[in-house]
Amino acid sequence: DVKVTQSSRYLVKRTGEKVFLECVQDMDHENMFWYRQDPGLGLRLIYFSYDVKMKEKGDIPEGYSVSREKKERFSLILESASTNQTSMYLCASSPSSVVGELFFGEGSRLTVL
Amino acid sequence: DQQVKQNSPSLSVQEGRISILNCDYTNSMFDYFLWYKKYPAEGPTFLISISSIKDKNEDGRFTVFLNKSAKHLSLHIVPSQPGDSAVYFCAASAGSNYQLIWGAGTKLIIKP
Repeated sequence: DVKVTQSSRYLVKRTGEKVFLECVQDMDHENMFWYRQDPGLGLRLIYFSYDVKMKEKGDIPEGYSVSREKKERFSLILESASTNQTSMYLCASSPSSVVGELFFGEGSRLTVL
Repeated sequence: DQQVKQNSPSLSVQEGRISILNCDYTNSMFDYFLWYKKYPAEGPTFLISISSIKDKNEDGRFTVFLNKSAKHLSLHIVPSQPGDSAVYFCAASAGSNYQLIWGAGTKLIIKP
């Protein structure tokens, strides 16, 4: 059974704190993605990675960075959390860049106070 | 500028009847469309897809129709079941998973 696991389901942080969101996949997929989901806006791509140590900006990268040191792990970092980063964060992976199914984790709901 | 629009935030359907979820897009370069289903507190799961070279794709109770001239696609669920209650997202791509554009989602409620 394929699995994308996000380390924290719910987090509450204070403005200015550094936040790490971890994602691990066990499917040996090349591609990994970080999205955020907000009501009325659907899913918006923050960053993606098509290989170890490779990363590309998505549609809304401002205020975020990522790290992919190992194939199975893709981390999202908020260097200095702000209240407008309160959201649901979704990690996904896929075996190919050719469009097709993405496999999502269960999500991490982040609240920044 | 939303390139993929799901104009109905929610839809309520009687169990056993047909559910029709709609999605409109503006970018004529989109050539692949996907539907995902999302339960509360879970990540989205892939449901069905269609390439722009087709106008219909069917998988069990789920059928997706594509009208390229109208830039419109729809997801039909027949018959609707209580487990179909979820948020449904439409997504479109111009050829790559790196370029998926998502709609805002439609919450489907199946009434017993």
